[in-house]
Amino acid sequence: AQSVTQLGSHVSVSEGALVLLRCNYSSSVPPYLFWYVQYPNQGLQLLLKYTTGATLVKGINGFEAEFKKSETSFHLTKPSAHMSDAAEYFCAVSEGTGFQKLVFGTGTRLLVSP
Amino acid sequence: EAGVAQSPRYKIIEKRQSVAFWCNPISGHATLYWYQQILGQGPKLLIQFQNNGVVDDSQLPKDRFSAERLKGVDSTLKIQPAKLEDSAVYLCASSVTLQNTEAFFGQGTRLTVV
Repeated sequence: AQSVTQLGSHVSVSEGALVLLRCNYSSSVPPYLFWYVQYPNQGLQLLLKYTTGATLVKGINGFEAEFKKSETSFHLTKPSAHMSDAAEYFCAVSEGTGFQKLVFGTGTRLLVSP
Repeated sequence: EAGVAQSPRYKIIEKRQSVAFWCNPISGHATLYWYQQILGQGPKLLIQFQNNGVVDDSQLPKDRFSAERLKGVDSTLKIQPAKLEDSAVYLCASSVTLQNTEAFFGQGTRLTVV
């Protein structure tokens, strides 16, 4: 069965600093991988996804992630953090070949200080 | 375009009571999902509908949880009787189809069982 591990339940950065949120996955088939963001008292919003093709995926709000099969990783980065990026971020893998039956990690809370 | 609507936003009940949550997906979306998000964890898929048929309910605790989507549009999720460990946010999501289409999430219903 597919699974996702997110290293670090909390990550703190200063405004303007690099954001790096780590995600490792386990999958028996070529994975579909996703990053979602959740703001307080809100639902989840898709940041970006990897299905096939280019391994560097660009998403909304300046975020990007790179699929590395050899490392079974899909880390999320942003060159310069903004205060509005403070939220919870979830990495997910699909057990199928689409968006169905997503298996989520436990989440990483990003804190951004002025 | 209206998003996924859920009600109520918050619910507090005593253990052994019953509770129901309602979800209205985005118009035209054939696929509907219910997720359970326990505090400190990522969302876990409970049940997935395609129109009014169940695609996957393998993680639904069927002894106490039930869900329906009778006309292929709105859906209700019921818990009867509730246990303390059912305290969580219940998220509804919808997508156009099962394959390769983004799932859009509602704001969720926060259930507290006391």
